[in-house]
Amino acid sequence: EVQLVETGGGLIQPGGSLRLSCVASGFAVSSNYLTWVRQAPGKGLEWLTVIYSAGDSYYADSVKGRFTISRDISKNMVYVEMNSLRVEDTAVYYCARGYIFSHDAFDLWGQGTLVTVSS
Amino acid sequence: QSALTQPRSVSGSPGQSVTISCIGTSSDVGAYNYVSWYQQHPGKAPKLLIYDVTKRPPGVPDRFSGSKSGNTASLTISGLQAEDEADYYCSSSAAAYTRVFGTGTEVTVL
Repeated sequence: EVQLVETGGGLIQPGGSLRLSCVASGFAVSSNYLTWVRQAPGKGLEWLTVIYSAGDSYYADSVKGRFTISRDISKNMVYVEMNSLRVEDTAVYYCARGYIFSHDAFDLWGQGTLVTVSS
Repeated sequence: QSALTQPRSVSGSPGQSVTISCIGTSSDVGAYNYVSWYQQHPGKAPKLLIYDVTKRPPGVPDRFSGSKSGNTASLTISGLQAEDEADYYCSSSAAAYTRVFGTGTEVTVL
């Protein structure tokens, strides 16, 4: 089955670090571009970061310098390392796959993992 | 990287058409033909409806259509159905390989 499954969410104190994982099934992360998007409770979607098949990555200004996207091709996984977490980083975090027929659209999404930043 | 502007809510009766606007700038919507639209039901992950302004992925009904004029993109839902009640988000490419989502629109079927 073609799917994405995120793990790693939980409760973390402000200033802490967390790494989220996203395992891909049914396709190779090395051949696709993948992204992380988050959604704060009751709020809209916010794009965070993307990693392309060549390995280059880009970030939203809101997380640049704090978040790092990476991948492990051997495990077919994508990660986002989140540092210096703030209360406003509380959200459901989704990973999504880039649609092969578009430069910029995401056709496969995980179920999301909830990150709560609170003391 | 400011969010694209969408109406907070739109509504229509079954069978009617509704249009959701997505207002950006000359640095995002106006600069790229990479506008996509997503449908999100409560508690669910987003679903891709439209990509590259006007194209539909396989399986998306042709009741959903997209367009763009200048810095404004639009999603039209024709023949509104009860299952179309959801939140809708636009997204656009922006400078330096970034993306930006819209503020989101709640569609209510009366």
